[in-house]
Amino acid sequence: DAGVIQSPRHEVTEMGQEVTLRCKPISGHDYLFWYRQTMMRGLELLIYFNNNVPIDDSGMPEDRFSAKMPNASFSTLKIQPSEPRDSAVYFCASSLDPGQHEKLFFGSGTQLSVL
Amino acid sequence: LAKTTQPISMDSYEGQEVNITCSHNNIATNDYITWYQQFPSQGPRFIIQGYKTKVTNEVASLFIPADRKSSTLSLPRVSLSDTAVYYCLVGPMNTGFQKLVFGTGTRLLVSP
Repeated sequence: DAGVIQSPRHEVTEMGQEVTLRCKPISGHDYLFWYRQTMMRGLELLIYFNNNVPIDDSGMPEDRFSAKMPNASFSTLKIQPSEPRDSAVYFCASSLDPGQHEKLFFGSGTQLSVL
Repeated sequence: LAKTTQPISMDSYEGQEVNITCSHNNIATNDYITWYQQFPSQGPRFIIQGYKTKVTNEVASLFIPADRKSSTLSLPRVSLSDTAVYYCLVGPMNTGFQKLVFGTGTRLLVSP
């Protein structure tokens, strides 16, 4: 398996524009997570899905953020409208159903810069 | 979920053993201790996990005292490529692991 795949790797946009980040989890993983990483706040959990259903979105900062998972192999995180303070690295991760050895497998992230 | 405290940064030299200690005073009975490693421009990756005493794998060792209020990640004979951020996470195994908190981790710098 190629691991968790995220696109784009880098995104530069202007304030007010819509941004869409994409993620393909590892095949067979039932859980998908979106994280945001900044120097000030570290790695924060935004939302996670189980079997394509959003379970907990309490980490989503504002209504400008939305996430979807239309099928088991694809998820998007959308920011509309984007603001400079949204600049961060956004990671997607996936994991198997809870069991004896839960591990999160992360993608390489999307570096977002909002000018 | 148990709160964890670890040093913000550590420095070492190639060939030395590095020990990173994490405090988790309010760890619960069903909590496990998990460490992740993050290289620059990459997502974190799992290193090691344990419940009590000692766990060793090809990458590191994890030492957990009897009271489990702290844990120590030990990296033997570090190299420059071990420069990374190391995260200590504490949480239950079968439920709630989804909300493990990564925090800001310990930034390890290995010098020649």
